[in-house]
Amino acid sequence: GAVVSQHPSRVICKSGTSVKIECRSLDFQATTMFWYRQFPKKSLMLMATSNEGSKATYEQGVEKDKFLINHASLTLSTLTVTSAHPEDSSFYICSARDARGAETQYFGPGTRLLVL
Amino acid sequence: RKEVEQDPGPFNVPEGATVAFNCTYSNSASQSFFWYRQDCRKEPKLLMSVYSSGNEDGRFTAQLNRASQYISLLIRDSKLSDSATYLCAVNRGSYIPTFGRGTSLIVHP
Repeated sequence: GAVVSQHPSRVICKSGTSVKIECRSLDFQATTMFWYRQFPKKSLMLMATSNEGSKATYEQGVEKDKFLINHASLTLSTLTVTSAHPEDSSFYICSARDARGAETQYFGPGTRLLVL
Repeated sequence: RKEVEQDPGPFNVPEGATVAFNCTYSNSASQSFFWYRQDCRKEPKLLMSVYSSGNEDGRFTAQLNRASQYISLLIRDSKLSDSATYLCAVNRGSYIPTFGRGTSLIVHP
């Protein structure tokens, strides 16, 4: 099956630092990747849709200057949490959709961010 | 009304039981529907897509009711390993998915 990797899997950082999370599709090309955030016992909240070669589309209420998304190639999207604060602590998950057009999304294993 | 709603549970059932979850959606124009399974502290994994005619995969059966705007998941002969959170996902336009908060299932011996 399709494989999506995320790095790092876990990060602890001090308040005010920026954290970069990478999402890679390993065996397929993904024109579209999605970034989600999930708080404990809550649903996956879509933050933004990342399209290769163009600007990301952010969901209402998500600050684009705080959560910078870059999708520079068909296999890599990055999410940078800028000037992280404790309230940004969460589980961040990416997913990728195969460029060949299937609707199925393949999720990365997620990144646990803890901001102290 | 939320776009996608699920009863969070937990559903506590004995091994071998049959259990069913529903998921309601508000957008009547939704086209694609999915069930995902999420284990604790892990990413969601696709369990099955939900087709208009209903579909079955082993012990799992998914149904779509467009008139009442809900999808269902039936699990027969529950196993301990079925314990997880089951998320439904509904695609709005351009394949952008909206997830429910998930239904927790606990299968006990």
